[in-house]
Amino acid sequence: GNSVTQMEGPVTLSEEAFLTINCTYTATGYPSLFWYVQYPGEGLQLLLKATKADDKGSNKGFEATYRKETTSFHLEKGSVQVSDSAVYFCALRGGGSYIPTFGRGTSLIVHP
Amino acid sequence: KAGVTQTPRYLIKTRGQQVTLSCSPISGHRSVSWYQQTPGQGLQFLFEYFSETQRNKGNFPGRFSGRQFSNSRSEMNVSTLELGDSALYLCASSLGLAGDRVYNEQFFGPGTRLTVL
Repeated sequence: GNSVTQMEGPVTLSEEAFLTINCTYTATGYPSLFWYVQYPGEGLQLLLKATKADDKGSNKGFEATYRKETTSFHLEKGSVQVSDSAVYFCALRGGGSYIPTFGRGTSLIVHP
Repeated sequence: KAGVTQTPRYLIKTRGQQVTLSCSPISGHRSVSWYQQTPGQGLQFLFEYFSETQRNKGNFPGRFSGRQFSNSRSEMNVSTLELGDSALYLCASSLGLAGDRVYNEQFFGPGTRLTVL
């Protein structure tokens, strides 16, 4: 079946540092890929999406590129803010399975 | 547009009881999925409904069931509650199903926090 692997957290950064959260996936077909963010006490919010190879999703300064050759969808941001502190989930949907698959989540802590 | 709403937000039950959770999707969305989120297991898919029909199901026991109404609102029921059912239950809606690349992104509600004592 499909699977998503995210880097273990927590990731701790200072404000304005560069962020990378790694995500790799296994799927039999060509899934759509997503990044979601979850703030304490809330549900998941869609951050960005990519639907095919070499697509780049971007939103609020975050970016991720669908790399089929490395089956990866790493999340990046050039300059993080304290308000970016949250848990980030990589997910896929489609690609040979109708079951949505989520990574375990990566906690990001940004210090002033 | 209003987002996905879930009621109640918090619930406390005792073992053996049953519970019903409700989800109202974004207007126009026909797909509703349910997830269980726990610190130990992360986000686990329960089931998905589309146009009142269950389309996909995760690996949960039959105590977990759901339904969808003609207005796309959905309910999830858990019977004979166990301590391990304590979790955040999330509902997500989307325009399309998994294979619809244009409309398959899911939008989540705030969740219902269920505590089983």
